[in-house]
Amino acid sequence: QKEVEQNSGPLSVPEGAIASLNCTYSDRVSQSFFWYRQYSGKSPELIMSIYSNGDKEDGRFTAQLNKASQYVSLLIRDSQPSDSATYLCAVIFSGTYKYIFGTGTRLKVLA
Amino acid sequence: DAGVTQSPTHLIKTRGQQVTLRCSPKSGHDTVSWYQQALGQGPQFIFQYYEEEERQRGNFPDRFSGHQFPNYSSELNVNALLLGDSALYLCASRRDYGTDTQYFGPGTRLTVL
Repeated sequence: QKEVEQNSGPLSVPEGAIASLNCTYSDRVSQSFFWYRQYSGKSPELIMSIYSNGDKEDGRFTAQLNKASQYVSLLIRDSQPSDSATYLCAVIFSGTYKYIFGTGTRLKVLA
Repeated sequence: DAGVTQSPTHLIKTRGQQVTLRCSPKSGHDTVSWYQQALGQGPQFIFQYYEEEERQRGNFPDRFSGHQFPNYSSELNVNALLLGDSALYLCASRRDYGTDTQYFGPGTRLTVL
């Protein structure tokens, strides 16, 4: 069973700090990785995708991918209370079209 | 640029009934996937439609069926509703070529009583 795992949290960080969210996956051959943010009662919204090993930055967000260790992480710099949400990691495993999601990590940014 | 739209927003049904949910993909997108998200869980893949055919299916019973129309819009049908079918149903669309990034609609909240 191919899986994506995340710590459910909550992860609490003070305003202005760096929030670090982690995700591990079971299939070494996976190629596509995504981070989504989901506010309570709303649908997931895309933060970013990453396909190659290393870092990818977009504004205050940095995704990090390490295929050898089978993990992908998301760093949020200068965290704001408005960043408080559930962050979903998703992976497309090789040979499939479907996204496999983790259960999400709930982030709380304390003002 | 219109995003993914879904209807209805909320729906209340009773056990044993049937329901149809609708989705219009983002402009320029031709592939539609449906997900079920129970409270506190990540979205679970139901199936994906491309060129009006079901291209891949997740671990859902045959009570869940779908359709894609020539304009790429899609429907999700659920028969013989169970209490456990209560969830947020999400539609996501993407282009089949190029990036495999998908975008979600606002979802339909289904409550089965």
